[in-house]
Amino acid sequence: DGGITQSPKYLFRKEGQNVTLSCEQNLNHDAMYWYRQDPGQGLRLIYYSQIVNDFQKGDIAEGYSVSREKKESFPLTVTSAQKNPTAFYLCASSTPAVGPKNIQYFGAGTRLSVL
Amino acid sequence: GENVEQHPSTLSVQEGDSAVIKCTYSDSASNYFPWYKQELGKGPQLIIDIRSNVGEKKDQRIAVTLNKTAKHFSLHITETQPEDSAVYFCAAARPGGGNKLTFGTGTQLKVEL
Repeated sequence: DGGITQSPKYLFRKEGQNVTLSCEQNLNHDAMYWYRQDPGQGLRLIYYSQIVNDFQKGDIAEGYSVSREKKESFPLTVTSAQKNPTAFYLCASSTPAVGPKNIQYFGAGTRLSVL
Repeated sequence: GENVEQHPSTLSVQEGDSAVIKCTYSDSASNYFPWYKQELGKGPQLIIDIRSNVGEKKDQRIAVTLNKTAKHFSLHITETQPEDSAVYFCAAARPGGGNKLTFGTGTQLKVEL
């Protein structure tokens, strides 16, 4: 069954703790993305990676870190430096398009809350 | 950078009526405009997209129109059904931008019986 798998579905973070959100895809896509979704603010890009061992900051990268050691995996760490981490986190992947079209496919998301 | 504005933030229609959601973008170089549907507790799913060399595209009850001069595009849903109730997001992307999408803030569509 092809797709993007995010885990866990729900995650709780204690103050001062780092937590890692998992994102795995078996679509053989080169590019992967992390978004943060808050009520009324749409989706905001945290980090993205177009190829293994390379990634770039998005619009709200502060307090987050990523790695891209394997094509199918793009984990996101929410560090203790992120003071307002409560949100719905979405991972997406796509094939880099030569041209204007880029279809991003999304996982089901991880809801992170602070204890 | 690109800025995408989306209106309205909430929309309520009667079953069978049409629904229209509008977006404007700021970057004239943007040339790809997808629309995503997000059901409660799930990730967004692409429902239709349009490139800048096309003015209109239709897929059954869903259509998208693009006005490059005015830098706005719209989603039209005809004969709405209860299962159309969801949050809809528009987005824009420019060539050479790392395939990054800039999203609007979303429209909560409610189709009432």
